[in-house]
Amino acid sequence: DSGVTQTPKHLITATGQRVTLRCSPRSGDLSVYWYQQSLDQGLQFLIQYYNGEERAKGNILERFSAQQFPDLHSELNLSSLELGDSALYFCASSPREGSGFDNEQFFGPGTRLTVL
Amino acid sequence: AQTVTQSQPEMSVQEAETVTLSCTYDTSESDYYLFWYKQPPSRQMILVIRQEAYKQQNATENRFSVNFQKAAKSFSLKISDSQLGDAAMYFCAYFSMEYGNKLVFGAGTILRVKS
Repeated sequence: DSGVTQTPKHLITATGQRVTLRCSPRSGDLSVYWYQQSLDQGLQFLIQYYNGEERAKGNILERFSAQQFPDLHSELNLSSLELGDSALYFCASSPREGSGFDNEQFFGPGTRLTVL
Repeated sequence: AQTVTQSQPEMSVQEAETVTLSCTYDTSESDYYLFWYKQPPSRQMILVIRQEAYKQQNATENRFSVNFQKAAKSFSLKISDSQLGDAAMYFCAYFSMEYGNKLVFGAGTILRVKS
């Protein structure tokens, strides 16, 4: 158990809908990262927040948005869902932003999103 | 942009034997981190081993060791005395020192362990 929690574990929805994925980082971690794992794109970085502020953006679609709240939990919002958005969405957390051996990213169990 | 290549989509190893998974990467940076992650059927991402580029000595964690060749931009993972529990997808990942906000993953290698 990494200490990172994600809810829900599974989500099934229809095209055009909007969903929210939630992540609670490890106690004391200030950075949260979102990754998407799909069959055709592999594992790719979406976005990072540090202490409530957006710090880095990867291949995140405009239909997707995220935020980190004062209690440090984060939510990833996916709207106007398409079949291709079906994937495993991981959240990871680390103590701080930036690099460093002591800034290891710990991954949550993921949320499996299925768009029908 | 940094890229990570894992050229072996699938590998098999007999229990108790040794297997090596390959990884190459492309970067213009001189210092960075490299990781191997394991993803078992549960889908949980588990850190196996890590290496900082400026350190010449290859990292070792119990049965897992790496062969880091900086000039060749190669970072292979050796699993000794393979166990059934080692069966999983293995991802090689790059983490930038300068742009240290994300992990860049390879496509992964499925490792099957035969009893």
